[in-house]
Amino acid sequence: VHLVQSGGGVVQPGRSLRLSCATSGFIFDNFGMHWVRQAPGKGLEWVAFVSSDSANTYYRDSVKGRFTISKDSSEKTLFLHMNSLRGDDTAVYFCARGDSLDSWGQGTLVTVSS
Amino acid sequence: SYELTQPPSVSVSPGQTARVTCSGDELADQFVYWYQQKPGQAPILVIFKDTQRPSGIPERFSGSTSGTTVTLTITEVQPEDEADYYCLSTDSSVTFRVFGGGTRLTVL
Repeated sequence: VHLVQSGGGVVQPGRSLRLSCATSGFIFDNFGMHWVRQAPGKGLEWVAFVSSDSANTYYRDSVKGRFTISKDSSEKTLFLHMNSLRGDDTAVYFCARGDSLDSWGQGTLVTVSS
Repeated sequence: SYELTQPPSVSVSPGQTARVTCSGDELADQFVYWYQQKPGQAPILVIFKDTQRPSGIPERFSGSTSGTTVTLTITEVQPEDEADYYCLSTDSSVTFRVFGGGTRLTVL
């Protein structure tokens, strides 16, 4: 099982960014997927979940309406589209697999700063 | 909002037993998962569904439950067990996941 992330970087407040999590080694369509973030020096914070069939998505309150989680089955890739970014969105973002979050990506740093 | 409570820190000497607790109102009805995270690394699952150990995780890691408190126990603690440990569970709607605040395990 491999989850390889890309798409982080420095972005100004109010702008957008898209994170990607390319997967391999398992049947992507059989698993729901999560995004989790960790602000510098802080603990883990769950961000969003998409069900295995993409029929259901759930978000923490602070990102609802600004972030969109999605799966592309043909590319076996998970995405997180982040709009209207704020300073408190600055964090390392991780993707993780399944109900148990049993496999994680390497993490990608998103810095929101002017 | 739903919260899971962990002690900020636990310290033990090598070879001793470390216990990390996680408390939450829904824990009697929802599964708990435990993760180990070392500096600069992604978390690793060490216990799932309260008491199950993934393949590759040493037998010295175990999980237990008692009402609304769950416990991660590490017996015969090794220096390499020094890390942050997080519990994870869901709220009563079973849609939102919540992490505990994390416990730093220090091996003296």
